[in-house]
Amino acid sequence: GNSVTQMEGPVTLSEEAFLTINCTYTATGYPSLFWYVQYPGEGLQLLLKATKADDKGSNKGFEATYRKETTSFHLEKGSVQVSDSAVYFCALSDLGTGANNLFFGTGTRLTVIP
Amino acid sequence: KAGVTQTPRYLIKTRGQQVTLSCSPISGHRSVSWYQQTPGQGLQFLFEYFSETQRNKGNFPGRFSGRQFSNSRSEMNVSTLELGDSALYLCASSSGDMGTYEQYFGPGTRLTVT
Repeated sequence: GNSVTQMEGPVTLSEEAFLTINCTYTATGYPSLFWYVQYPGEGLQLLLKATKADDKGSNKGFEATYRKETTSFHLEKGSVQVSDSAVYFCALSDLGTGANNLFFGTGTRLTVIP
Repeated sequence: KAGVTQTPRYLIKTRGQQVTLSCSPISGHRSVSWYQQTPGQGLQFLFEYFSETQRNKGNFPGRFSGRQFSNSRSEMNVSTLELGDSALYLCASSSGDMGTYEQYFGPGTRLTVT
């Protein structure tokens, strides 16, 4: 079946530190992979995506590379800001099964301190 | 373009009652998906509607139902509410076309069952 395993949080970093949030997946077909971010009191916002192996998604300084050999999609950012404090969710969608639903990881709460 | 809107934003209901939540997708989007978010179970897929038909369904009891109207607006109904139904209910819209991967989320409806 489809599942996503995400690095347990919470993660606390100082401003300008390097961020890595690990994400691995299991899928029956050829999934598309996503990172979503949820700010307090809000819904989910799509941060970045990758639809095939070796694709790199990037947005707002965040990056993640679709690694089929390690079934991973780790999120990275070179220098975090206080405004990056949020909960980050890794997710997959396996359109090859004919379904459009997302499978989410458990989320990682990031707190960036000045 | 206006984003996904959900009403109401907050609801308090009593065990045994029923509730209806509403979602208006992004203009032009024909697919609406519903997710339940709880601290214990995380984000779980409820169902997806496309062109007024349920296209995909998660593993929830029959008390959870939905429908979609000709203008793509969707409603979700939960009957005979239980304490465990307390959650943030998120709606997501997408174009629904084959090969489309992005889902855009609304701010959610927070349901509290007492």
